[in-house]
Amino acid sequence: DGGITQSPKYLFRKEGQNVTLSCEQNLNHDAMYWYRQDPGQGLRLIYYSQIVNDFQKGDIAEGYSVSREKKESFPLTVTSAQKNPTAFYLCASSTGGQGGTEAFFGQGTRLTVV
Amino acid sequence: AQSVSQHNHHVILSEAASLELGCNYSYGGTVNLFWYVQYPGQHLQLLLKYFSGDPLVKGIKGFEAEFIKSKFSFNLRKPSVQWSDTAEYFCAVFEGNNRLAFGKGNQVVVIP
Repeated sequence: DGGITQSPKYLFRKEGQNVTLSCEQNLNHDAMYWYRQDPGQGLRLIYYSQIVNDFQKGDIAEGYSVSREKKESFPLTVTSAQKNPTAFYLCASSTGGQGGTEAFFGQGTRLTVV
Repeated sequence: AQSVSQHNHHVILSEAASLELGCNYSYGGTVNLFWYVQYPGQHLQLLLKYFSGDPLVKGIKGFEAEFIKSKFSFNLRKPSVQWSDTAEYFCAVFEGNNRLAFGKGNQVVVIP
């Protein structure tokens, strides 16, 4: 099936540890995105990538890092510098460009840092 | 400053009532506009989108939205809601450089 796969669905980590969230897409989309969803805050953009080997900071990039070594993969690392990492993280992709498609979303990863 | 604004975060209404959710954006260039819905326990789904052409866009489940360029708005409407429309609704704007920004969402509760 074509789509976006985020893994794992639930993730627990101890405070101070870095953790990497996986996002894979087989839609052949150029653009990929990471959002954080908190109650009452909507979806806040962390990082996005227009094309392989390129990415830009979103609105809340501090404490996060990404890489885009392959078109189909856009992993997000939540570092120990992120002050409030417990949240629901959503990955998305689109064809990109002004005439591109809408964004398609994965099922999300709920990260809990204890 | 937030680039996509949605007001009235919590909306409670009865079945058969009309619904209108406001969305305003600040990006001054050419935009693509979207409304997404998230039903309880489910992932985000596209309701409708505007890229160009007729500014009145019809989507799934009886929803429609109107793009008013002069007002930087893309308001969502449904003439008669059902209990199954209980969900969170998000407006999104595709800005330049493939940046896709979302509003804070509207939590809509429809009472049977």
